[in-house]
Amino acid sequence: NAGVTQTPKFRVLKTGQSMTLLCAQDMNHEYMYWYRQDPGMGLRLIHYSVGEGTTAKGEVPDGYNVSRLKKQNFLLGLESAAPSQTSVYFCASSYLAGGLNNEQFFGPGTRLTVL
Amino acid sequence: GENVEQHPSTLSVQEGDSAVIKCTYSDSASNYFPWYKQELGKRPQLIIDIRSNVGEKKDQRIAVTLNKTAKHFSLHITETQPEDSAVYFCAASRKSNFGNEKLTFGTGTRLTIIP
Repeated sequence: NAGVTQTPKFRVLKTGQSMTLLCAQDMNHEYMYWYRQDPGMGLRLIHYSVGEGTTAKGEVPDGYNVSRLKKQNFLLGLESAAPSQTSVYFCASSYLAGGLNNEQFFGPGTRLTVL
Repeated sequence: GENVEQHPSTLSVQEGDSAVIKCTYSDSASNYFPWYKQELGKRPQLIIDIRSNVGEKKDQRIAVTLNKTAKHFSLHITETQPEDSAVYFCAASRKSNFGNEKLTFGTGTRLTIIP
């Protein structure tokens, strides 16, 4: 199993450009998440999904959109990138057991720089 | 929403000594408290978690304690080793209709083990 994978690993954008980050998991997990990690601020939840075809806002959703058309994939879109979106982006997935979520498995991260 | 505060932000201990990291949370309905370890340049990984129906959980050299009344929980690492050097994140979540799907993370503690 590859676990959780992210594409691309690195990206540099100019202000106003758009891009899509792809997250894929092969563990048949129901839940998927997108976080951003900034120095001194920990991991902040952008959007998440509790199943195929569903999405929900997290703590810092502005400027981002997501889609979960297939259970194994979760896409994060930036329509018009801003320097404030320079960050490391992590995708994660988790499963239900006994009606409760368990460990979140993280991808390797995408380092995004917006100039 | 939930607010998780984590202290200290940096911690240096001599190899073989113990390390303690503390977190407080604001939502009295939170009932799941995981700890993640992130080595430099790597993805966060779960090291231990605790649910609100227990006060303490141990796994070899690491332990977590929970005080629901005071709304704080702590990570204890004994007999520290160089490979314990990393950033540690606490998190908290409450159960919803979909399980404990949303984690709120603390801002992290950078632990350095001095040989």
